[in-house]
This record gives sequence, structure tokens and C-alpha cells, in this order.
Amino acid sequence: DAGVIQSPRHEVTEMGQEVTLRCKPISGHNSLFWYRQTMMRGLELLIYFNNNVPIDDSGMPEDRFSAKMPNASFSTLKIQPSEPRDSAVYFCASSPAGTPTDTQYFGPGTRLTVL
Amino acid sequence: KQEVTQIPAALSVPEGENLVLNCSFTDSAIYNLQWFRQDPGKGLTSLLLIQSSQREQTSGRLNASLDKSSGRSTLYIAASQPGDSATYLCALPQGAQKLVFGQGTRLTINP
Repeated sequence: DAGVIQSPRHEVTEMGQEVTLRCKPISGHNSLFWYRQTMMRGLELLIYFNNNVPIDDSGMPEDRFSAKMPNASFSTLKIQPSEPRDSAVYFCASSPAGTPTDTQYFGPGTRLTVL
Repeated sequence: KQEVTQIPAALSVPEGENLVLNCSFTDSAIYNLQWFRQDPGKGLTSLLLIQSSQREQTSGRLNASLDKSSGRSTLYIAASQPGDSATYLCALPQGAQKLVFGQGTRLTINP
């Protein structure tokens, strides 16, 4: 079992550039989550999908952020244009059935630095 | 809106001690509560999940308790080891599956 896979693990970019983060959930899981972790705000949910459909994107900070899940095995989080305050660790997580009692399984994260 | 608080923010103890980490939450209408472990530079690993109908869960040297009426959970670690050094986070679902996390307790076990 490969677990949740995220790429890249580290990304350094300059302000104004487009950034795309990628996630492959655990096979068979129906829910996928994108989180952001910073020292100031801790872990925050950005958006989550059930069966490839976005359910709650109220945590997406602004229009510069967008997320897609074109199929059950792949999701992207895009930031365009990026800003220094977007620097954070971005985690992807998946869960089996999309119910409140499920455990969420986290990927290793992508550390994003925007200069 | 669910708010989750963890105290203390950091804790350093000598190896072998038993210790307790605390988590408090404001809305007692919860489905469950989870404790996670995060190692530096790594993702989160789920340690224990307590359903709302349960009062405690145990896994090895870890025991998590849940008191919904007082809005509190504790994570008890017995006979601590240097390998237990990590940040421990508690989290609760808000609504369907949106997890709300505490800020975590950074635990250091000194050999």
C-alpha cells in the first residue's frame, strides 16, 4: 500500500509564478482533502472532494487558488499567481467512505516557498 | 463554529515518565475525536479515533479519553521513549468531514 502520494515534496518559486501541487489518493478512497499548515494558523482545510466532486471549498483563501479532481486517482491544487504569504506546507489526505467517522490518511506534504 | 485548543504548546520530559496531553473543544455535538502524530518534515499519522459514543480508546502505550460534556480529551502516554518525540494534534469533524485541528503539543522526550 503506497499511501497518499504528493509531488513535488519541495517547491521554491518566485512571486507571480504559477504553482501546481499534485496528489494521488489511496486507491479505493472516495474522499480527498487539501490542507495548508503554517506556524501562525496551524492546519487549515482548503477544500475537499467526495467522488471527485468538490463539496466544501470555503477554506480556499482567494481566487488565486483552485483545485481539481479529474478522476478518482488524481487531484491538483493550483496557485496563480503565487505570493510570499502562500509559503506553507500543503497536505493532501484521503479517506475511504466520506463519512464523519472515517480516519483521514495524510500524504507527506509539499513544502512551498514563494520568494 | 468548532474551536480546538491544546495545552501545553510544548512539553519536555525525561524518558520513562508517564504524561498527559490535553485537548479542549467548544462544541460538544461531535461525531468523533482523533489524535494525530506529526514528525518533523512529515505528514500526519492517525494514532487513535474515539467515536462520540466511546469514552476511551487504547493502542499500546497510548490511551485517549473523551468527555463530551466538558469538551475535553486527553492523550495519555505511558513509559515515554525518545521515539515518542513529535507534535501531537487533536482534531474533530465540523459538519460532514471538515476536520478542525488544534495547534498541537510539541513533545520532547529526553534520554
